Amino acid sequence: GDSVTQMEGPVTLSEEAFLTINCTYTATGYPSLFWYVQYPGEGLQLLLKATKADDKGSNKGFEATYRKETTSFHLEKGSVQVSDSAVYFCALLNYGGSQGNLIFGKGTKLSVKP
Amino acid sequence: GAVVSQHPSRVICKSGTSVKIECRSLDFQATTMFWYRQFPKKSLMLMATSNEGSKATYEQGVEKDKFLINHASLTLSTLTVTSAHPEDSSFYICSAPVPGGWNEQFFGPGTRLTVL
Repeated sequence: GDSVTQMEGPVTLSEEAFLTINCTYTATGYPSLFWYVQYPGEGLQLLLKATKADDKGSNKGFEATYRKETTSFHLEKGSVQVSDSAVYFCALLNYGGSQGNLIFGKGTKLSVKP
Repeated sequence: GAVVSQHPSRVICKSGTSVKIECRSLDFQATTMFWYRQFPKKSLMLMATSNEGSKATYEQGVEKDKFLINHASLTLSTLTVTSAHPEDSSFYICSAPVPGGWNEQFFGPGTRLTVL
């Protein structure tokens, strides 16, 4: 079945450091890919998405490119801030599934120190 | 601000009791809502789809008699964990589709259930 694997955390960085959180997936067909972020005490929020191969999703300085050849959707940010501290979830939704059938990775906790 | 709320945010109960968790969409209607369960250091797992006006759809392996879902109105879905046991302790999260959004969801902040 479909699955998502993302790097284990926690990840601790200093402010202005470069961030990469790896995400790879296994799926039949052509899934849509998402990154969700969960700030402390809040619900998951969509950070960015990509619906087809080579699409790049971007938001708030974060980017991720849908790489079908490597089945990856790595999250990157050039310069993190303390306010980026949160848990990040990679997820996929395969065509033909129900709208709710998001498949999530385990989440990666990011802590950014000043 | 939050567009999907959950209540309570945290609940501790004794084994054998039932616990009700509410999920509300704020300022929009949701004919469908989703319930997820998150174990420590594990993915969110879809438990069931709550449908206003009809029965909930449960994912494989989820006991429908254990996890009762009622979509009481277009803005409210409830999950009742019946005869709770310590293994039911978990983080329960609900979500609702973004109006007009394609395959996007608003997620609630989650409810931490601890069964003693």
